[in-house]
Amino acid sequence: QQQVKQSPQSLIVQKGGISIINCAYENTAFDYFPWYQQFPGKGPALLIAIRPDVSEKKEGRFTISFNKSAKQFSLHIMDSQPGDSATYFCAASNGGATNKLIFGTGTLLAVQP
Amino acid sequence: EAGVAQSPRYKIIEKRQSVAFWCNPISGHATLYWYQQILGQGPKLLIQFQNNGVVDDSQLPKDRFSAERLKGVDSTLKIQPAKLEDSAVYLCASSLTFRNTEAFFGQGTRLTVV
Repeated sequence: QQQVKQSPQSLIVQKGGISIINCAYENTAFDYFPWYQQFPGKGPALLIAIRPDVSEKKEGRFTISFNKSAKQFSLHIMDSQPGDSATYFCAASNGGATNKLIFGTGTLLAVQP
Repeated sequence: EAGVAQSPRYKIIEKRQSVAFWCNPISGHATLYWYQQILGQGPKLLIQFQNNGVVDDSQLPKDRFSAERLKGVDSTLKIQPAKLEDSAVYLCASSLTFRNTEAFFGQGTRLTVV
């Protein structure tokens, strides 16, 4: 119940295309869903996050879509650029006493020029 | 503002040896986390501190791993003795408080156990 399942494992997109990464969870107590971006040799950096009271959040080219009933959320990267090539992790936490982040397994995105 | 600092960046040790990692969080951040990231996987929380108290260490292998944050600022994570399966990147992160959900990560320490 503490797992966050992420797919696909890897993704190749042409420059200018749309990248879509999906995550699913089981624990209905989760109330915070961030996406992290990680470049090789660097730590993860927060990209965008959403709470379950909204169905969509957009920041620039990055959009999170959230489906509470299906317990799924996804990251859409519009107009993908080679500089977006990185590993993306979804995560979830339930705030509460510890606010522990449970991470997905990651998606390696390659944007071809 | 300065980010989360970790050292060393890389460490290679033989199995059964001991190793220690150091982390200095962002100034003023009360919550400090140690994560283990095995190649090809997402980070897994090992231990979480709120100031100098442990909030969650449920996934810390306590027979070989230990961590401390004595003055509520910097922290050390120790492995003794190391096993081959401990090869991973150890990430330190901090957040303003445990209720402030954005966690800032350091660059990590890549540990190779041979």
